[in-house]
Amino acid sequence: EAGVVQSPRYKIIEKKQPVAFWCNPISGHNTLYWYRQNLGQGPELLIRYENEEAVDDSQLPKDRFSAERLKGVDSTLKIQPAELGDSAVYLCASSLYQGLAGPNEQFFGPGTRLTVL
Amino acid sequence: GDSVTQMEGPVTLSEEACLTINCTYTATGYPSLFWYVQYPGEGLQLLLKATKADDKGSNKGFEATYRKETTSFHLEKGSVQVSDSAVYFCALSGVNAGGTSYGKLTFGQGTILTVHP
Repeated sequence: EAGVVQSPRYKIIEKKQPVAFWCNPISGHNTLYWYRQNLGQGPELLIRYENEEAVDDSQLPKDRFSAERLKGVDSTLKIQPAELGDSAVYLCASSLYQGLAGPNEQFFGPGTRLTVL
Repeated sequence: GDSVTQMEGPVTLSEEACLTINCTYTATGYPSLFWYVQYPGEGLQLLLKATKADDKGSNKGFEATYRKETTSFHLEKGSVQVSDSAVYFCALSGVNAGGTSYGKLTFGQGTILTVHP
């Protein structure tokens, strides 16, 4: 079974440029997450989708970040314009949400390492 | 809000030594607790989990017991191997007042483990 796929794996851009990250979750997983991991820190949730609906985007800096999950499968996270402080690893994860049955295992992709110069 | 605190790292051990990585948490209700591992160049992988008080999660020789009285979930292994060298993250999935999972993971800052032959 294929895991969570992310691309690109690495991206180097200059500040004020736009950048986009793509994620393809595990087939059949209805919940998709984007996390940001700063150097030496644990991941922090940016946005969570259930199918095509963004159910938690409270930590997404909406002035420059946007995300979409068309058709409830693939997702794209965009930053425009990028700032120096955006340098981090952006992780995508997916899971089968079990609602009241309890939390579920999240499967993570390898991440995209963004460097903003 | 929910938070997870891991012991200061990095941790350096000789092969076959005993390992303990401390993890304490702050959360309302009865969160589920997880340990994730990140091997060099790879994505986060679930190592073990526990969903209620006194549960013990175990996998690959690692164990952790959900201690609600001390709000802890320490990771232990009796004899580490060189292949255990990785970054270990403690995480929780919180619940709201109605007992429904938030769906997101809150991570600690990670502990780097290096095992020498």
